[in-house]
Amino acid sequence: EAQVTQNPRYLITVTGKKLTVTCSQNMNHEYMSWYRQDPGLGLRQIYYSMNVEVTDKGDVPEGYKVSRKEKRNFPLILESPSPNQTSLYFCASSFWSEGYGYTFGSGTRLTVV
Amino acid sequence: SQQGEEDPQALSIQEGENATMNCSYKTSINNLQWYRQNSGRGLVHLILIRSNEREKHSGRLRVTLDTSKKSSSLLITASRAADTASYFCAPYSGGGADGLTFGKGTHLIIQP
Repeated sequence: EAQVTQNPRYLITVTGKKLTVTCSQNMNHEYMSWYRQDPGLGLRQIYYSMNVEVTDKGDVPEGYKVSRKEKRNFPLILESPSPNQTSLYFCASSFWSEGYGYTFGSGTRLTVV
Repeated sequence: SQQGEEDPQALSIQEGENATMNCSYKTSINNLQWYRQNSGRGLVHLILIRSNEREKHSGRLRVTLDTSKKSSSLLITASRAADTASYFCAPYSGGGADGLTFGKGTHLIIQP
């Protein structure tokens, strides 16, 4: 089944403890992206990647890192999480060519206390 | 990338009625996409309409695009309880690597 898999689904952590949210897709998509969704603010893009070893900042990159060492994986790294990073996170992927929609993961609900 | 603005912000109708929601955007596009999000879940791609298309159908969904007015509408016919969700439009202008930008969506509630 074609899908984007995010893990974990839920995570509660403490301020300053490094964490990684994994994202993997099995559709050979070139393009991958991370969003966060907060009440009243909609979805905001954190980072995106056009292909292996090509990443760039979105609208709200502060406090996050990403890597794209393999085409299928695009992990989101929070080196020192803070409570303002409590949010619902989504990974998405797509073919780079125009005319394709995004496939989203099921989301990761992160709480930083 | 540009963000679409959905209207209304919230819509409540009776099951079996039709639901219409609108999207406006600011600059010319290559295509416009609609997505659905069930509570707390990932967005699901519903339909993509290209700039040279005026109308597109998919099952009970009908999307129209008016590039002269920079607007699109999504019609859901014969609504069902399972259609309760938030709906987002995403205008795509092309050229930019940053991809799609999403607004706050229309929250649709189908009353039984």
